[in-house]
Amino acid sequence: DQQVKQNSPSLSVQEGRISILNCDYTNSMFDYFLWYKKYPAEGPTFLISISSIKDKNEDGRFTVFLNKSAKHLSLHIVPSQPGDSAVYFCAASDRGSRLTFGEGTQLTVNP
Amino acid sequence: GAVVSQHPSWVICKSGTSVKIECRSLDFQATTMFWYRQFPKQSLMLMATSNEGSKATYEQGVEKDKFLINHASLTLSTLTVTSAHPEDSSFYICSASLSGGGTDTQYFGPGTRLTVL
Repeated sequence: DQQVKQNSPSLSVQEGRISILNCDYTNSMFDYFLWYKKYPAEGPTFLISISSIKDKNEDGRFTVFLNKSAKHLSLHIVPSQPGDSAVYFCAASDRGSRLTFGEGTQLTVNP
Repeated sequence: GAVVSQHPSWVICKSGTSVKIECRSLDFQATTMFWYRQFPKQSLMLMATSNEGSKATYEQGVEKDKFLINHASLTLSTLTVTSAHPEDSSFYICSASLSGGGTDTQYFGPGTRLTVL
């Protein structure tokens, strides 16, 4: 039972354009959502998070949007840079520290 | 920043042997550490949550007798894969949570690639 799903295994965008990564969840008990970035053979690095009481959180080039009614969140990166190329994981937490991860989306930003 | 290390970074072993993986928080104390495994092109799956000085809490479907977790100090947790088999080959990642930290203060190690022949 995959409670957090990232339906796009890969995404390719041009440098300078916007990257939009999507994530859907099924568990209505999730109240905290996070995005992690991961390079090959490395552990995930925290990027940005959002609480279920908000619908938007912005940090520099990264913005996360949460649509609770649709159980959907997205990560916007603008402008995209080649160094952003990595696997992005969406994760969710239900009132604690246990994280449930999505399958990840490989983002490739082409120069 | 908070740094988590893992040792070894990769290991190859024969079927039936046991392998120990260490996870250390280098510059902070972690009351809670987590162990994940990741198969190729799949998500990180939480295996267990370990708290310093107490028994680990395993996720459903994870064999506690096969994946032994010890959290002996606030900076060290170990995962021992006992009687490893080829299906145990995977990427094992630990994370450490800062004492009193929220969900976003979970710091991940670089991972350990286990290959069982």
